[in-house]
Amino acid sequence: TQLLEQSPQFLSIQEGENLTVYCNSSSVFSSLQWYRQEPGEGPVLLVTVVTGGEVKKLKRLTFQFGDARKDSSLHITAAQPGDTGLYLCAASTRLDSGYSTLTFGKGTMLLVSP
Amino acid sequence: EPEVTQTPSHQVTQMGQEVILRCVPISNHLYFYWYRQILGQKVEFLVSFYNNEISEKSEIFDDQFSVERPDGSNFTLKIRSTKLEDSAMYFCASTREGLWDSPLHFGNGTRLTVT
Repeated sequence: TQLLEQSPQFLSIQEGENLTVYCNSSSVFSSLQWYRQEPGEGPVLLVTVVTGGEVKKLKRLTFQFGDARKDSSLHITAAQPGDTGLYLCAASTRLDSGYSTLTFGKGTMLLVSP
Repeated sequence: EPEVTQTPSHQVTQMGQEVILRCVPISNHLYFYWYRQILGQKVEFLVSFYNNEISEKSEIFDDQFSVERPDGSNFTLKIRSTKLEDSAMYFCASTREGLWDSPLHFGNGTRLTVT
């Protein structure tokens, strides 16, 4: 089972600031997904990255997959209170059976104050 | 947009009691999953279900747990004799294809409190 380390665990910033959160593993990821979870709700997929070095943008969110596919980062530009939530990274592992499982990190809790 | 629905949103039960958590996956999805999230901890895989049988399960999914798709729409998780440590948010999820090819769609969860 891959162990995913996310940092920081908690981040409190003011509206308009930029931030970066990280997801790291000692193992190589086949693919990695970023989710956002709001209180009382299930995680919602933001993006999937597959190729080493890949960069994907989703409005003010920029996702990067490390060249070696062992790490990923999420950068938010000009954060807004609506960005508040728990950001989870998750790695997909294909099993010998042909099925896959998804392993989650503990998440980064982001609080954006007006 | 179609979504995964879970009922109830909150279930309180006494230790030793049986609980059934219910989920209605997205209608054209074929793969179904249960995950749980203990307060303050990470989301953990419990079980995956495809073609009316369990395809994978984690160490957490012991003999006290079972899953069933009793009809064409519902997907249930049963905990036979609940323990205090079963208290958690339980999330149902579904995918149209296998995880390798399509993202998980999560429901909003059932908060299970065992007293």
